[in-house]
Amino acid sequence: GAVVSQHPSRVICKSGTSVKIECRSLDFQATTMFWYRQFPKQSLMLMATSNEGSKATYEQGVEKDKFLINHASLTLSTLTVTSAHPEDSSFYICSGVLQETQYFGPGTRLLVL
Amino acid sequence: GEDVEQSLFLSVREGDSSVINCTYTDSSSTYLYWYKQEPGAGLQLLTYIFSNMDMKQDQRLTVLLNKKDKHLSLRIADTQTGDSAIYFCAEGNTGTASKLTFGTGTRLQVTL
Repeated sequence: GAVVSQHPSRVICKSGTSVKIECRSLDFQATTMFWYRQFPKQSLMLMATSNEGSKATYEQGVEKDKFLINHASLTLSTLTVTSAHPEDSSFYICSGVLQETQYFGPGTRLLVL
Repeated sequence: GEDVEQSLFLSVREGDSSVINCTYTDSSSTYLYWYKQEPGAGLQLLTYIFSNMDMKQDQRLTVLLNKKDKHLSLRIADTQTGDSAIYFCAEGNTGTASKLTFGTGTRLQVTL
């Protein structure tokens, strides 16, 4: 149990375009989901907390207008990277919370050319 | 703010035991976790321990917690090549809606 999926697993886009990443909890309902960013050989950096039915809470230094989060249902949260630039290239990982434990998705590798 | 530190790299021979260490600063931590990340993948929850416990064993994994020294360790018995990965410790507090602070990660290399 407690499986989280992400789609797509890998995406390449042109600079200036927007990219949407989906995070789904497959076998549980997640009122809370988290979005992380991970640079090569580094730890996870929390970007925002996504709460179903309410606005996301962003960490300091994360632009909410650039990284749009929508938690439309108890099993789906989306992260949209708007007007992507090469510096947004990274590995994005989401997690869903079940009984106060985070279960992670497999990650999405974004490359902005 | 909270700080979680780990050594960057550990190399062990197949069949030996591995011990990965972690130190944290938040004395109010309620849960402490160990996650495993294989190349290009997300994080897999290995085990966790409540702050009122000293030890937890789960098959080849043993977690030791020294709350006084704020030191957490993960011991992997009979380490296999499939254990090669990055291991993250993380601490959380029930008062912060399951938010976690992750360590820097330890890369475990298992050699033949």
